[in-house]
Amino acid sequence: GESVGLHLPTLSVQEGDNSIINCAYSNSASDYFIWYKQESGKGPQFIIDIRSNMDKRQGQRVTVLLNKTVKHLSLQIAATQPGDSAVYFCAENMHSGYSTLTFGKGTMLLVSP
Amino acid sequence: NAGVTQTPKFQVLKTGQSMTLQCAQDMNHEYMSWYRQDPGMGLRLIHYSVGAGITDQGEVPNGYNVSRSTTEDFPLRLLSAAPSQTSVYFCASSVGAGEPRKFFGPGTRLTVL
Repeated sequence: GESVGLHLPTLSVQEGDNSIINCAYSNSASDYFIWYKQESGKGPQFIIDIRSNMDKRQGQRVTVLLNKTVKHLSLQIAATQPGDSAVYFCAENMHSGYSTLTFGKGTMLLVSP
Repeated sequence: NAGVTQTPKFQVLKTGQSMTLQCAQDMNHEYMSWYRQDPGMGLRLIHYSVGAGITDQGEVPNGYNVSRSTTEDFPLRLLSAAPSQTSVYFCASSVGAGEPRKFFGPGTRLTVL
């Protein structure tokens, strides 16, 4: 069957570079955002999250930036490694009683040694 | 903890056959859900459950049934498989219905001929 990676925007970087993956979200009422990493043949894995009352959050080698004015989210990966090669999804949550995540289509990150 | 587990990992069905995709979690999570992932698309919510005995429809529920008799298990049933149901299916859970951070299983790749 087809890989989930086909038809996706792709970002190709060299090992050691910094990577920036962008995401436009749709709902101005979304209160929480998550970035997931999905390696080939595996389920999505949580990377980092940010609440709508923040504009930046840092983790280990990753930073998420949120610009609510233009409904834009970005994931920055410092010193990208071959093990970072995967598909990255952003997800937005609009909490209306129950949490419901809406996922973006994803970006494939390819890291060359 | 094993986290979220899914069986089988791969399955091939003929049109009209029925089957059940199994999902279990050992984290005592209240909320469980099923997503499907198709090439070039983000994850789409099929059904979800906010606790034992409670289920509801997501974005793409047609052709699928679910039940939640225990906290741990959330099976997804295809009563009469169709080629349009060829996809990768992911089960996800979270601590509570209001918790946006979802933990995903490894997925089941289903092909319907």
